[in-house]
Amino acid sequence: DAKTTQPDSMESTEGETVHLPCSHATISGNEYIYWYRQVPLQGPEYVTHGLQQNTTNSMAFLAIASDRKSSTLILTHVSLRDAAVYHCILRVNTGNYKYVFGAGTRLKVIA
Amino acid sequence: NAGVIQTPRHKVTGKGQEATLWCEPISGHSAVFWYRQTIVQGLEFLTYFRNQAPIDDSGMPKERFSAQMPNQSHSTLKIQSTQPQDSAVYLCASSWGGDGDTQYFGPGTRLLVL
Repeated sequence: DAKTTQPDSMESTEGETVHLPCSHATISGNEYIYWYRQVPLQGPEYVTHGLQQNTTNSMAFLAIASDRKSSTLILTHVSLRDAAVYHCILRVNTGNYKYVFGAGTRLKVIA
Repeated sequence: NAGVIQTPRHKVTGKGQEATLWCEPISGHSAVFWYRQTIVQGLEFLTYFRNQAPIDDSGMPKERFSAQMPNQSHSTLKIQSTQPQDSAVYLCASSWGGDGDTQYFGPGTRLLVL
């Protein structure tokens, strides 16, 4: 029962800014929005998470809609190393430790 | 911080043999999780330890699979009498306190059973 919807794939050129969308129309008030990314032969890598306010760290900026029904992960100055599958998942902050990833968005970066 | 360490990174076994996978969580993390990942099934939860105690093993196949955490610095996943359908990437993750805390994954062990 997927609770998030993401495009299958997106493409960008090195140096550009990429906006990765995620739709979560049925999100509950206590669910956090998490983003992970995964490259072949590696485990999922934590990118960022947020509840209501936009958040930023060294990896990305997470923009959360005011109604929380969608969010966008923004990657600036993308490089070839940013090519990965990006997963948007919802998690409550207590008692929910079983991660489930959907297909995610495969980001292709062109040199 | 080295992150979660998993060894070996790749393992090939013959059908019926035993495989032991190792995980070293991030220092200071009290929770360890094991998952299995395949293209067909995606990410599957196997088991969870907090402060070395088993909390939830509901995802573990009841036969042939076992997990232990003898000390705070490592956990093992053992598969006895391996079968071809056990072929997968086995991922270990750790978090500060378990439950809702952010999980940080290791690189995984790619198991191939011939």
